[in-house]
Amino acid sequence: DTGVSQNPRHKITKRGQNVTFRCDPISEHNRLYWYRQTLGQGPEFLTYFQNEAQLEKSRLLSDRFSAERPKGSFSTLEIQRTEQGDSAMYLCASSLGQGFPEQYFGPGTRLTVT
Amino acid sequence: GEDVEQSLFLSVREGDSSVINCTYTDSSSTYLYWYKQEPGAGLQLLTYIFSNMDMKQDQRLTVLLNKKDKHLSLRIADTQTGDSAIYFCAESITGGGNKLTFGTGTQLKVEL
Repeated sequence: DTGVSQNPRHKITKRGQNVTFRCDPISEHNRLYWYRQTLGQGPEFLTYFQNEAQLEKSRLLSDRFSAERPKGSFSTLEIQRTEQGDSAMYLCASSLGQGFPEQYFGPGTRLTVT
Repeated sequence: GEDVEQSLFLSVREGDSSVINCTYTDSSSTYLYWYKQEPGAGLQLLTYIFSNMDMKQDQRLTVLLNKKDKHLSLRIADTQTGDSAIYFCAESITGGGNKLTFGTGTQLKVEL
């Protein structure tokens, strides 16, 4: 078991460009979560999936953000028309599912929008 | 609403015990967690406690939960330089899909 992996680890993009991040959860973990962490703050919840179903989205997730988990395994988070305020660490976590409280995080993708 | 607060900074000498405190506001918390984050890294799950428990011990770590005061603490015994990191407490709410609400983190500095 290699843990939660995220790619890329770092992404620098110009304002207005689209970016996509990928998260591979721990094998057999049904739940997958996305969080965003800005400097000096704790992570903030963005959205989560139970298998392929997206069950909740935070109001932080504007229309420019979209997340998918098409086959219930890996997930992608896309940000369209990036803004400087999108610069943050994007963290993915996974858990076995309902009744299993342990949530394991990946190393994150650091996005810098110039 | 949910709000989790922590003190920002704690400094201890190597070998001493560290106590990191956290307060939360939501009385419907199901689980409370402690995570560790080292520079440039993701979050490492240290331990968690179910809300109907008042204490949990795991090797050098002791978690105390005072549900009446909505206060959570993490005690690290025999603190080592490798314990220097940012520690986050977090809560999950009943029926909330187990999404986590984090505090702002406490930076622990261990001095020789």
